[in-house]
Amino acid sequence: EPEVTQTPSHQVTQMGQEVILRCVPISNHLYFYWYRQILGQKVEFLVSFYNNEISEKSEIFDDQFSVERPDGSNFTLKIRSTKLEDSAMYFCASSAPLSNEQFFGPGTRLTVL
Amino acid sequence: AQTVTQSQPEMSVQEAETVTLSCTYDTSESDYYLFWYKQPPSRQMILVIRQEAYKQQNATENRFSVNFQKAAKSFSLKISDSQLGDAAMYFCAYRARTSGTYKYIFGTGTRLKVLA
Repeated sequence: EPEVTQTPSHQVTQMGQEVILRCVPISNHLYFYWYRQILGQKVEFLVSFYNNEISEKSEIFDDQFSVERPDGSNFTLKIRSTKLEDSAMYFCASSAPLSNEQFFGPGTRLTVL
Repeated sequence: AQTVTQSQPEMSVQEAETVTLSCTYDTSESDYYLFWYKQPPSRQMILVIRQEAYKQQNATENRFSVNFQKAAKSFSLKISDSQLGDAAMYFCAYRARTSGTYKYIFGTGTRLKVLA
């Protein structure tokens, strides 16, 4: 069964460093998403991406964040200068055209020291 | 703006018993989707069940069923014959259908404990 994959599973970084979180969505999906879950809190929407551009973003997704689909398979989330409060689980999700279901990856746990 | 509320931070159920998790939401949309996701300790998000708002019939998936009350904006999840493997965080989520936004809006979650 096709699934969304994410790498790395855990990333530890120093405050101020740049990180890139990687996702491989399901191959025939066209809509891509990033969500964030701070430990013990709810899952929050960050950004959605379609047709090589951002279709929607939340107020959390400020200038330090960017997304990219550099090739036909990867979908990345870059955090330019990490802050302590960026420590969270980051989930990638994808969905097929005309589908209401988003398929989630296993998440990347980001720890900012 | 749409909101999703889960008023039960934690619930416990005896193995083989039935438990109901509550979810209410607020929206001005008339057509939307509602979901329940399970998040075990591995933190993977697993779809449990979904409901289309235009369908009056409550969705069921094996031991999982929902009580969808559109007028009351309520969407509860019933787990029958609870099993130890059902222990997890459960998140209720909303997605608009026609407004052009496809993001999920999640509730704060309910931690379900299953007692042997």
